Amino acid sequence: AQSVTQLGSHVSVSEGALVLLRCNYSSSVPPYLFWYVQYPNQGLQLLLKYTSAATLVKGINGFEAEFKKSETSFHLTKPSAHMSDAAEYFCAVSKTGGGNKLTFGTGTQLKVEL
Amino acid sequence: KAGVTQTPRYLIKTRGQQVTLSCSPISGHRSVSWYQQTPGQGLQFLFEYFSETQRNKGNFPGRFSGRQFSNSRSEMNVSTLELGDSALYLCASIARQGDNNEQFFGPGTRLTVL
Repeated sequence: AQSVTQLGSHVSVSEGALVLLRCNYSSSVPPYLFWYVQYPNQGLQLLLKYTSAATLVKGINGFEAEFKKSETSFHLTKPSAHMSDAAEYFCAVSKTGGGNKLTFGTGTQLKVEL
Repeated sequence: KAGVTQTPRYLIKTRGQQVTLSCSPISGHRSVSWYQQTPGQGLQFLFEYFSETQRNKGNFPGRFSGRQFSNSRSEMNVSTLELGDSALYLCASIARQGDNNEQFFGPGTRLTVL
């Protein structure tokens, strides 16, 4: 069975500081990995997606994530946080043959302080 | 291009009642998936439909059902509501058949069961 673990349910950074949100996956087959963001009272928006084409994946809004097989990780980073980045972030995994079923992590609430 | 539409946005029901939620995907998209989001269980996959056929199903009791119409609109139904069914129900629109495609989420329907 596949799963993802997000370390830290709440992360707080200062505006302009590095954002690092952690995600580790467990999968018996090469996974597809996703990061989604959810703003209050809204649905989920895809930030980026790993499909094995490249280990460093660039997404929207300046976010990127690096797939590290040796560490079974797919951490999300952004060099400089902006107030508008405050939201909840979800890591998710799916597998070939599984349709479009996503298994989500428990989420990380990002707070950006002045 | 219009996004994913979910109706109603908010709903209050009492235990034992049934409820039907509607999702209209992005024009031209033929696949729809449904997720339940609760504070306790997080985001959980309910089911996925493509061309009016259920393609994948999550681990939910039979009280949860869905269908898709020829115009790709989808409905999900929950019968004999329980307090634990209170959740945000998210629908996602998917452009193509196959696995691991980008999913465009609607704003959700917030169901409260009293």
